[in-house]
Amino acid sequence: DTGVSQDPRHKITKRGQNVTFRCDPISEHNRLYWYRQTLGQGPEFLTYFQNEAQLEKSRLLSDRFSAERPKGSFSTLEIQRTEQGDSAMYLCASSFYMGYGYTFGSGTRLTVV
Amino acid sequence: SQELEQSPQSLIVQEGKNLTINCTSSKTLYGLYWYKQKYGEGLIFLMMLQKGGEEKSHEKITAKLDEKKQQSSLHITASQPSHAGIYLCGAGGRNRDDKIIFGKGTRLHILP
Repeated sequence: DTGVSQDPRHKITKRGQNVTFRCDPISEHNRLYWYRQTLGQGPEFLTYFQNEAQLEKSRLLSDRFSAERPKGSFSTLEIQRTEQGDSAMYLCASSFYMGYGYTFGSGTRLTVV
Repeated sequence: SQELEQSPQSLIVQEGKNLTINCTSSKTLYGLYWYKQKYGEGLIFLMMLQKGGEEKSHEKITAKLDEKKQQSSLHITASQPSHAGIYLCGAGGRNRDDKIIFGKGTRLHILP
């Protein structure tokens, strides 16, 4: 078990471009979460999946954001038409259903220029 | 919605000194999580508290949840450079599977 993996670690993109991030959770975990963290702030909840079902989305997740977990394993988070305000650390975490706490990945740092 | 306030926002202490970080919730805490984050990295789970009055320790870090379950404190004894980072408290909902909402964090710097 290598923990939660996120790819890429860093992404620099031009405003208006689309970006996609990937998260590979711990294999036994059926819950997967996406958070966004900006400088000086705590992580803000974006969305979560139980297996392949997306059970909740935050109002922070605008129409430009979409997340998938097609086979209940890895997940992708896509941001379309990126804006400078999207610059942040995007964190993925996984857990057992009814488990204790989450295991976080190292995050993907997005910079929109 | 539940809000968590952490204090202080940042803290600078001399190596070897003790320190305390507080986390206050706007609502009853059913599950309180403490995480540590190295700058620019992911979060590392420290401990979870559920019952009022509960206290847990891991190495030199002790966390408590007060009886009324609206405040938690994290205490570090004899701080070391390895303790430097951002400490985040998070609140789960009444159900264990509720998402965790985080505070803004406390930035801890240790002076050698």
